[in-house]
Amino acid sequence: DTGVSQDPRHKITKRGQNVTFRCDPISEHNRLYWYRQTLGQGPEFLTYFQNEAQLEKSRLLSDRFSAERPKGSFSTLEIQRTEQGDSAMYLCASSGRGSSSYNEQFFGPGTRLTVL
Amino acid sequence: AQSVTQLGSHVSVSEGALVLLRCNYSSSVPPYLFWYVQYPNQGLQLLLKYTSAATLVKGINGFEAEFKKSETSFHLTKPSAHMSDAAEYFCALSSRGDDKIIFGKGTRLHILP
Repeated sequence: DTGVSQDPRHKITKRGQNVTFRCDPISEHNRLYWYRQTLGQGPEFLTYFQNEAQLEKSRLLSDRFSAERPKGSFSTLEIQRTEQGDSAMYLCASSGRGSSSYNEQFFGPGTRLTVL
Repeated sequence: AQSVTQLGSHVSVSEGALVLLRCNYSSSVPPYLFWYVQYPNQGLQLLLKYTSAATLVKGINGFEAEFKKSETSFHLTKPSAHMSDAAEYFCALSSRGDDKIIFGKGTRLHILP
């Protein structure tokens, strides 16, 4: 399977704990995106990387959230001191270097976080 | 500011009937428009996209959508619903030079036997 993969698929944690999610993009893709989807809502943009550079962060990404893509390949999203409001599906997507003005984003299956 | 509005959080149609999911957008620049489908516990799959070529866009699984600038709409249709079409559908937009995608809240499509 050469699609976008995310690990873990499900995470249950207690309020106040730290959690880290991993995303492996499609191998030739240089752009990687994180979105958050809460119940009954569409996904909301959090941040994106081009290679290892983090180019944009949403105001949704509070100081407790940090994302990295150290070698321009996989990415991690860490949430410190989790709160119940952090419960959501965290989606990762990647896109390639295509010459067209639009580069399709391919989504992974997501990591569902439940904060008790 | 850019936004997407999907009319109807739930839509039910009978198997074999026309599917129509409504989407209106707001954008100060020419948008790229998309429809995604999400099955339970799965990620998003792109159904179709409008990127300023033909206004009638055909996608996978028999779906199509028409970009109407005058109405700021991008409604999704399928002539004949199938049970396997039951899922959540998201209308979304982005714009040239801005990679992030802005999604609507979604419409859950129910297919009645």
